[in-house]
Amino acid sequence: GESVGLHLPTLSVQEGDNSIINCAYSNSASDYFIWYKQESGKGPQFIIDIRSNMDKRQGQRVTVLLNKTVKHLSLQIAATQPGDSAVYFCADTLLMNSGGYQKVTFGTGTKLQVIP
Amino acid sequence: EAGVTQFPSHSVIEKGQTVTLRCDPISGHDNLYWYRRVMGKEIKFLLHFVKESKQDESGMPNNRFLAERTGGTYSTLKVQPAELEDSGVYFCASSQSGQGRYNSPLHFGNGTRLTVT
Repeated sequence: GESVGLHLPTLSVQEGDNSIINCAYSNSASDYFIWYKQESGKGPQFIIDIRSNMDKRQGQRVTVLLNKTVKHLSLQIAATQPGDSAVYFCADTLLMNSGGYQKVTFGTGTKLQVIP
Repeated sequence: EAGVTQFPSHSVIEKGQTVTLRCDPISGHDNLYWYRRVMGKEIKFLLHFVKESKQDESGMPNNRFLAERTGGTYSTLKVQPAELEDSGVYFCASSQSGQGRYNSPLHFGNGTRLTVT
């Protein structure tokens, strides 16, 4: 992802509303995608993943959509709660050396603020 | 199962000093990654170990940074001498070995916040 300087994109949503966080990736060969949530003072935590042979995957209150044509990933959070406030990162993964290892590239991140 | 642990959680040093960060990955994870996040910016890749070998160190900014993973267990990242622009949060992550076409997510530690004054 491209740096946006010192300021993260911020999304403010009302508690109970749905949130949609978007991400663009650059490598068309990437074949595995992950959304991470980072809370203050903690490391990124896995939320949900999706492989390139899928375009949608649902978890508990979260859905990830993948559009490979335009290299776009989105994370939808249903009924957003105050505990969802965090910075969200997408990551795309390229499998290297016939599965020997994966090269993971992170997007810039989006700060989600939930208004009680 | 214990997660990825990093030490110290915070470090404040003066420009020109040396700091060593440590990461203990999840037991059994062959892959170990170092990333860093400078204030307000994205998480940038530094390097990747597979067991004790450096698989990819293309993200290391310069020769002031030295990473080791002797024995393929824990890893250290040394910054010597530290500069002001090295300030940021350094994350370590680990993952299981790839299984053919199937990837596994990275498991992150809570990071070391480094402040160089």
